[in-house]
Amino acid sequence: NAGVMQNPRHLVRRRGQEARLRCSPMKGHSHVYWYRQLPEEGLKFMVYLQKENIIDESGMPKERFSAEFPKEGPSILRIQQVVRGDSAAYFCASSPEWGPYEQYFGPGTRLTVT
Amino acid sequence: KNEVEQSPQNLTAQEGEFITINCSYSVGISALHWLQQHPGGGIVSLFMLSSGKKKHGRLIATINIQEKHSSLHITASHPRDSAVYICAVKGRDDMRFGAGTRLTVKP
Repeated sequence: NAGVMQNPRHLVRRRGQEARLRCSPMKGHSHVYWYRQLPEEGLKFMVYLQKENIIDESGMPKERFSAEFPKEGPSILRIQQVVRGDSAAYFCASSPEWGPYEQYFGPGTRLTVT
Repeated sequence: KNEVEQSPQNLTAQEGEFITINCSYSVGISALHWLQQHPGGGIVSLFMLSSGKKKHGRLIATINIQEKHSSLHITASHPRDSAVYICAVKGRDDMRFGAGTRLTVKP
């Protein structure tokens, strides 16, 4: 059973470009969480999704950021018109159901905006 | 004041020592997680607790719901335990993280 997969592992974008980060949850998991870790800072919750639904996006910046988890395929975190401050490690985690279930983390995508 | 406070921020120990990392939180939670982040950046979930105590190998995690406090203990510490240990509390849907404790175990 493969773990949580994220790709790409490293992504370099110029200011103004779009970044797309993908997360494939563990097999059988239908809940995905996205977290951001800014350089030298702690992890911060961004968004929680279930298949085809955004459950909680209270941690997402209001502009330029969006997330989806379609019925088929990976969850996508999209950042439009990236700025240098978006440079961070973005982690996703998955769990089997809603509630106090253990979350399994992916290896992260390191986004660098030049 | 952060909703999740960890102490200490940094900890250096000699191999073999008993290690304790503390976590206090101020919000209602459905579960508390202890995570380990290695120097390469990968994150591993060590424990998820909603009450009592869990043990896995040399690691022990306890939680006191009334006092809103959890501890992570490492017995017979080893240099490979060197990592950042992060306490995270799960509310209804979101997760709030402590700043992490950077542990260095010297041989």
